[in-house]
Amino acid sequence: DAKTTQPPSMDCAEGRAANLPCNHSTISGNEYVYWYRQIHSQGPQYIIHGLKNNETNEMASLIITEDRKSSTLILPHATLRDTAVYYCIVRPHTGRRALTFGSGTRLQVQP
Amino acid sequence: DTAVSQTPKYLVTQMGNDKSIKCEQNLGHDTMYWYKQDSKKFLKIMFSYNNKELIINETVPNRFSPKSPDKAHLNLHINSLELGDSAVYFCASSQDQAGGTDTQYFGPGTRLTVL
Repeated sequence: DAKTTQPPSMDCAEGRAANLPCNHSTISGNEYVYWYRQIHSQGPQYIIHGLKNNETNEMASLIITEDRKSSTLILPHATLRDTAVYYCIVRPHTGRRALTFGSGTRLQVQP
Repeated sequence: DTAVSQTPKYLVTQMGNDKSIKCEQNLGHDTMYWYKQDSKKFLKIMFSYNNKELIINETVPNRFSPKSPDKAHLNLHINSLELGDSAVYFCASSQDQAGGTDTQYFGPGTRLTVL
């Protein structure tokens, strides 16, 4: 799986948008970008994934650059419950199914 | 209903003991996983089963033996527990979707402490 680079921590004010960046400069054509998060003491939770187009669901938006070497997860209106470690994961859509987690970004939403 | 459940939630035991952790998913998925999260918070895959067949077996001591009695269950048995086995163990499941992508659903974790 392609290696990803994320900032170790970020702060965000409650009610504001949280923009979490991820670099994946070695991504290959058949690899998807997935985002998961882990709230303290819980199991990881799927957020969103994409291949090359921007994606949006009820939780977040995913913006992937045209060259696919980086992406940004956007939480449009962060709440205190969004405080968690966010993981950006790149993996192919075939073959190995397991997720390779990096160290992620610890997002702290401030009241 | 909980999608992926694990028992027990906490497990405290002595070195050298044998213990099991159970996982059940009610999502009808065909693939199940065990991940380990150590004290430094890194999450690593240990095993993966697809339709009761082992498909991923990472470099894990053979003291760890997964067992899948059916598609909905994947249990983890650990022999001769060591201090270094202390960690949080997460079970997960997934189902292939259109385009080959899948979403993994994780259980709440089992915190194992070896004394």
